[in-house]
Amino acid sequence: GENVEQHPSTLSVQEGDSAVIKCTYSDSASNYFPWYKQELGKRPQLIIDIRSNVGEKKDQRIAVTLNKTAKHFSLHITETQPEDSAVYFCAALTPNTGNQFYFGTGTSLTVIP
Amino acid sequence: DAGVTQSPTHLIKTRGQQVTLRCSPKSGHDTVSWYQQALGQGPQFIFQYYEEEERQRGNFPDRFSGHQFPNYSSELNVNALLLGDSALYLCASSRDPAYGYTFGSGTRLTVV
Repeated sequence: GENVEQHPSTLSVQEGDSAVIKCTYSDSASNYFPWYKQELGKRPQLIIDIRSNVGEKKDQRIAVTLNKTAKHFSLHITETQPEDSAVYFCAALTPNTGNQFYFGTGTSLTVIP
Repeated sequence: DAGVTQSPTHLIKTRGQQVTLRCSPKSGHDTVSWYQQALGQGPQFIFQYYEEEERQRGNFPDRFSGHQFPNYSSELNVNALLLGDSALYLCASSRDPAYGYTFGSGTRLTVV
């Protein structure tokens, strides 16, 4: 099955700086890559996603890049704010296994005011 | 528009007992997946239901079973609870899994 690895596990940045979280996947058939933000005690919330036919997608301060050849994708948050502090999960959707999501282990982001 | 709703929000059970968790999908969604999220970990796929049948299953023992009803709501049952079953159980629904899921707030299960 698919294996998604996520790095780093923890990340601290100063407010206003950028944050980058990276994920790799193993199954070349994976074709959809969402990123979720989970605040303490709350549900995962989809913040941005990208499909395998696109290399980059941006939504205001958040962007995701995908390198299909290298099988990795990254989340970029610019001009970070304290409210960006949360755990971020990447995921890969694999049609070979009935469109299951495989999640990374999460990155705990802390934005220091 | 109600999103995905789960009940109960918190639950404490004793080792060996059985538990049933419930999920109502977002309006218009017919596919329901269940995930187990241990503390500090990413969600792990348990199984997926579509048209009242289990369509896919993750690497979980048979103690974990489920059901989907004609109105698309779903239940997750866990028998013979172990301490290691303590986790946040998330339900996620979709109209088409290829376009992502909407997660519920989860049920926090503690087994003592």
